[in-house]
Amino acid sequence: DAGVIQSPRHEVTEMGQEVTLRCKPISGHNSLFWYRQTMMRGLELLIYFNNNVPIDDSGMPEDRFSAKMPNASFSTLKIQPSEPRDSAVYFCASSRPRGAIKDTQYFGPGTRLTVL
Amino acid sequence: AQTVTQSQPEMSVQEAETVTLSCTYDTSESDYYLFWYKQPPSRQMILVIRQEAYKQQNATENRFSVNFQKAAKSFSLKISDSQLGDAAMYFCAYRSSGTYKYIFGTGTRLKVLA
Repeated sequence: DAGVIQSPRHEVTEMGQEVTLRCKPISGHNSLFWYRQTMMRGLELLIYFNNNVPIDDSGMPEDRFSAKMPNASFSTLKIQPSEPRDSAVYFCASSRPRGAIKDTQYFGPGTRLTVL
Repeated sequence: AQTVTQSQPEMSVQEAETVTLSCTYDTSESDYYLFWYKQPPSRQMILVIRQEAYKQQNATENRFSVNFQKAAKSFSLKISDSQLGDAAMYFCAYRSSGTYKYIFGTGTRLKVLA
């Protein structure tokens, strides 16, 4: 089975530009998570979707960040406008339905975002 | 609130030797899951091993095993016959059975010396 797929793997952009990160979860997984990883703050959960519905977006830093999940096989994380402090690695992860045995989160390869 | 502590920022091990990475956690709950993830230079977060708190038997996956001490709230990872490919950051994570949220430790960087 294919794992979680993220694109692009690397993104370099200039301050003020819009950035869109993409994620395809593992087929059959109905929970999707967006994380941000930085040296200073470690891994932070940004938002959690269950059955395509945002359940918890309390980790989204500010209004410049938005996430959507239009269907079970695709999600986006958008930053508009981007700022240098948004530079980080962004991970998408998915898991099987809650209640299933061992609903472990499986991570994608991440997108390294650099905002100049 | 639950916390996860990895007190070893960096560890080194000689190739073919055994190394143990430490993880402690704090929780008042009795039902939860614990995980070790590996993050090599490629950045991919790879699940190494997981443990259900209700199981007394320590989980094992090939060269990787855990020492789960529930009363002490300790969850260490033992890597036997270390290989160069084991070099990575290792993160310990906790998840309560009643929530989707993972709580990650700060990670331990493992170096494997040839």
